[in-house]
Amino acid sequence: DAGVIQSPRHEVTEMGQEVTLRCKPISGHDYLFWYRQTMMRGLELLIYFNNNVPIDDSGMPEDRFSAKMPNASFSTLKIQPSEPRDSAVYFCASSNEQGAYNEQFFGPGTRLTVL
Amino acid sequence: QKEVEQNSGPLSVPEGAIASLNCTYSDRVSQSFFWYRQYSGKSPELIMSIYSNGDKEDGRFTAQLNKASQYVSLLIRDSQPSDSATYLCAVRVVYALNFGKGTSLLVTP
Repeated sequence: DAGVIQSPRHEVTEMGQEVTLRCKPISGHDYLFWYRQTMMRGLELLIYFNNNVPIDDSGMPEDRFSAKMPNASFSTLKIQPSEPRDSAVYFCASSNEQGAYNEQFFGPGTRLTVL
Repeated sequence: QKEVEQNSGPLSVPEGAIASLNCTYSDRVSQSFFWYRQYSGKSPELIMSIYSNGDKEDGRFTAQLNKASQYVSLLIRDSQPSDSATYLCAVRVVYALNFGKGTSLLVTP
């Protein structure tokens, strides 16, 4: 059974460019989470969805960041325009509400470098 | 901002010893607590969850929870070099998780 799938695995871009990160959650999972990990700040929740609806986006750093979940099997996190301080590893995770106590399964992450 | 605090380490233990990892949290209404292991360059993976005060054992791992003291710990018995990783403590907030910055564990042969 496939786990959470993320693409691309690595992204190098220049400041000012648009970046789109993609995530496919585990089939049947109804929660999807986007996290960002840096050495300084650790693993931070950016936004999460339940049944494709954004529930809490208070962790989104600023208007340059946006996330969508058009259907149960796909989500995107977009940064426009990108800045060097956005360099981090971005993780997508999913969970099943029926799986009590919210065990989250993480994707392999996208390592973003903004030059 | 609800805080989850961990000593960043590194915590160095010899092979075969017990490694003790600690975590404190600030939100008294938190009900569920998790330990994730993260190898360098990899994603976090769940190794233990605990919801009630006391101890929970799973193989070489024991999680301990004290809600009155707002304290969670993870003990790793018979530590192996393959246990060398960063251990992340996480506290459930509604349906999301609030993570600590992690403790780096090094098990030396």
